[in-house]
Amino acid sequence: GDSVTQMEGPVTLSEEAFLTINCTYTATGYPSLFWYVQYPGEGLQLLLKATKADDKGSNKGFEATYRKETTSFHLEKGSVQVSDSAVYFCALPAGGTSYGKLTFGQGTILTVHP
Amino acid sequence: EPEVTQTPSHQVTQMGQEVILRCVPISNHLYFYWYRQILGQKVEFLVSFYNNEISEKSEIFDDQFSVERPDGSNFTLKIRSTKLEDSAMYFCASILDSRGSYEQYFGPGTRLTVT
Repeated sequence: GDSVTQMEGPVTLSEEAFLTINCTYTATGYPSLFWYVQYPGEGLQLLLKATKADDKGSNKGFEATYRKETTSFHLEKGSVQVSDSAVYFCALPAGGTSYGKLTFGQGTILTVHP
Repeated sequence: EPEVTQTPSHQVTQMGQEVILRCVPISNHLYFYWYRQILGQKVEFLVSFYNNEISEKSEIFDDQFSVERPDGSNFTLKIRSTKLEDSAMYFCASILDSRGSYEQYFGPGTRLTVT
């Protein structure tokens, strides 16, 4: 079945450090791919998305490129801030449909220190 | 910007009691979902709902769970007889408007604590 695997966390960085959170997937066809963020005490917010191979999603300085050949969608940010501290989830709609249930990775806790 | 709302934000209940979690999806969306997240674990799909019926459910969604869209705006999740292991954050989501956007919008969640 469709699945998402994220790098094990937690990740602890100093402010202005470079961030990579790895995400690989197994899926039927070529679904859209998403990164969601969950700030402390809040719900899930869509951070960025990519709808087809080689697309790059970007938002708030974060980027991720849909790599069909490596089945990956790694999240990157060049210079993290304390306010980026949150849990990050990679996700895809399962079953080959765009409106299918989302399958999430296990989440990566990011802590950024001043 | 339109948003999904959920009430209550926190619900405490005793084991064996019934709870109803409420959601108001984005008004022109067509698909509705419930997910849950046990503390420290990943977000898990419970059920999807389309055209006034369940379109898919997970193995977690047993006979103790039910969903309903009683009117044009609310979408509810009922747990008939709560267990300790039902303690989790429950998220509602909705998707698909007339423009064909497949982005799932999530509500802020209801934290359910079963004692």
